[in-house]
Amino acid sequence: GQQLNQSPQSMFIQEGEDVSMNCTSSSIFNTWLWYKQDPGEGPVLLIALYKAGELTSNGRLTAQFGITRKDSFLNISASIPSDVGIYFCAGMNYGGSQGNLIFGKGTKLSVKP
Amino acid sequence: EAGVAQSPRYKIIEKRQSVAFWCNPISGHATLYWYQQILGQGPKLLIQFQNNGVVDDSQLPKDRFSAERLKGVDSTLKIQPAKLEDSAVYLCASSPRGADGYTFGSGTRLTVV
Repeated sequence: GQQLNQSPQSMFIQEGEDVSMNCTSSSIFNTWLWYKQDPGEGPVLLIALYKAGELTSNGRLTAQFGITRKDSFLNISASIPSDVGIYFCAGMNYGGSQGNLIFGKGTKLSVKP
Repeated sequence: EAGVAQSPRYKIIEKRQSVAFWCNPISGHATLYWYQQILGQGPKLLIQFQNNGVVDDSQLPKDRFSAERLKGVDSTLKIQPAKLEDSAVYLCASSPRGADGYTFGSGTRLTVV
């Protein structure tokens, strides 16, 4: 089945630093999404990408849909403490009534001690 | 707009017991999904409904898991009998159409002992 490889698995941030994470797939998706999940909550959508090559921003977050349709990255600029959490990439292929998501394993963002 | 409601939030049962989870999607959302999220992993789709019909249940362990959405609104997911490896967070999500507007509930954390 389809699998997403998300990296890094975890990282430590210091306030003000920029953060990058990426996701690759063995197969093509026509939609890429990035979610953030806080403890005890469901994933919350950050950015959705619908077109190969698309670069989209949402505040301090920027994400890109790779040209090959097999990868995507998420950048967070000038990180703040509330950015801590687990970030998931997800791919979707849809047509008709389909639309289930294939998730990566997540990137855990923690604050540097 | 009210979000996706799930109950209970937490459940602890012994192996071989039965358990049921309930989900009330966002009003008007035709598509409802149940995902299983094992600790340290991304969510994995169990079943997708379009109104009250099943669209995809290919990853549902049908020997022990069942789900229904009788009136095309709320849904229940049942496990009977539970195994230790069923310990996970069970997330419900809904969307107005297959591809857009995904919203997740806060999930039910199941512990099987």
